[in-house]
Parts: sequence; C-alpha cells; structure tokens
Amino acid sequence: DTGVSQNPRHKITKRGQNVTFRCDPISEHNRLYWYRQTLGQGPEFLTYFQNEAQLEKSRLLSDRFSAERPKGSFSTLEIQRTEQGDSAMYLCASSLTALGLGELFFGEGSRLTVL
Amino acid sequence: GDSVTQMEGPVTLSEEAFLTINCTYTATGYPSLFWYVQYPGEGLQLLLKATKADDKGSNKGFEATYRKETTSFHLEKGSVQVSDSAVYFCALNTVDGNTPLVFGKGTRLSVIA
Repeated sequence: DTGVSQNPRHKITKRGQNVTFRCDPISEHNRLYWYRQTLGQGPEFLTYFQNEAQLEKSRLLSDRFSAERPKGSFSTLEIQRTEQGDSAMYLCASSLTALGLGELFFGEGSRLTVL
Repeated sequence: GDSVTQMEGPVTLSEEAFLTINCTYTATGYPSLFWYVQYPGEGLQLLLKATKADDKGSNKGFEATYRKETTSFHLEKGSVQVSDSAVYFCALNTVDGNTPLVFGKGTRLSVIA
C-alpha cells in the first residue's frame, strides 16, 4: 500500500506524559499537513511542511506541540505534558503541489486518549 | 477568517432517495471549494472540487456547483446507495492553494436499504 501511513493508530496515555506520532507520506509528495479532529468536528489545521521547511503553524499549536520533518520525508508530531484536552484524532495528509489545489491525501489517523 | 458552515446531521435516507447536503462559506478573496468524504474506518478522501464560480464538480454520481452569489456549494446525488453512508466534509482554501484547507464540521449520512 503506498498511501499515507500513520503510527501508532491508537495511543492511551496518562496526563503529563509525552507522546509522539509518526506520519509517512506518499513518497513523491512534497507537502505534509497535520490536522486534529475531535468528535463531531471537522479537521482543524495544526501545521504544514513543504519539504523539510515548516511553513505555517496554527495558533492551536501550543508550545507543548512540536512537529518535524527531517529530510523532507516522514514527519513526527510530539505532544509534551499531555492534557485531557489533547484527546483527539491526529490526522496527517500529504500532497504534491503540482497535483492541483487542495487535493490532500489523508492517513487513517492516530487516536490519542489522555486519561 | 475563512469558514465553512454545513447542515447538521445525521441525515438518514432510504436507498434511491435524493440527497442534498448544504454548505455555505465565508472567505476573503476567491476560494476553491471541495467536498471530502470519510467512509467508516478509512481516511478522508477528496470527492469533488470546483475552483471558480459556476463550476460544477462531479464524481461517483455526486455533484456540487460553486455559487458565488449565494456563497454556497451544496452537495447533491440523485439516488443514494447504502455504500454512500459516510461523513461528508465541505472545505475551502484560497485560490493560490497556499493556505491550508478549512473544513466544515461534517455531515453524517446513513442510507438504509
């Protein structure tokens, strides 16, 4: 399967712990996005990369959140000192800018539960 | 800021019924408009899109027309099937594509046989 892959699919952690999610985009895609989705809501933008450069961060991305995309391939999203309000589905998407505007390819998401 | 408003669900229809899911938007400038669909257990996927006024996007029997005068992009299908049961998201971004997609809250559709 050559789609967007996210790991782990589910993570349960205690408040105050750190968690890290990984996203492997479609190999030739140069843009990678992180979104967060809570129950009954649409995806909310967190941040995105073009190659290895982080081009934009949402105000939703507090200083406890950090994302990286070394070498412009896979990306990680780390949440430090997790809070119960961080419980959500974290979605990764990738795109190729030449493909056309707004056509993102999403992974199945990583669900975080903070106890 | 830019935003999208969708009709609230859930929507429950019988097979072969006509579907409309309303979507209106607020945007500065001239956005591109999209419908994404999320089937159970799967990631979101692009269903259709339109990039300028009066454009009609279509795919898998679904259609939506970009109406600038009413700032709307309603999703329609003439005859739904059980396999269309999913969550549908309306979304927009700016015409140059350099801003991230902004999504609506989603509308859950259930089609019963």
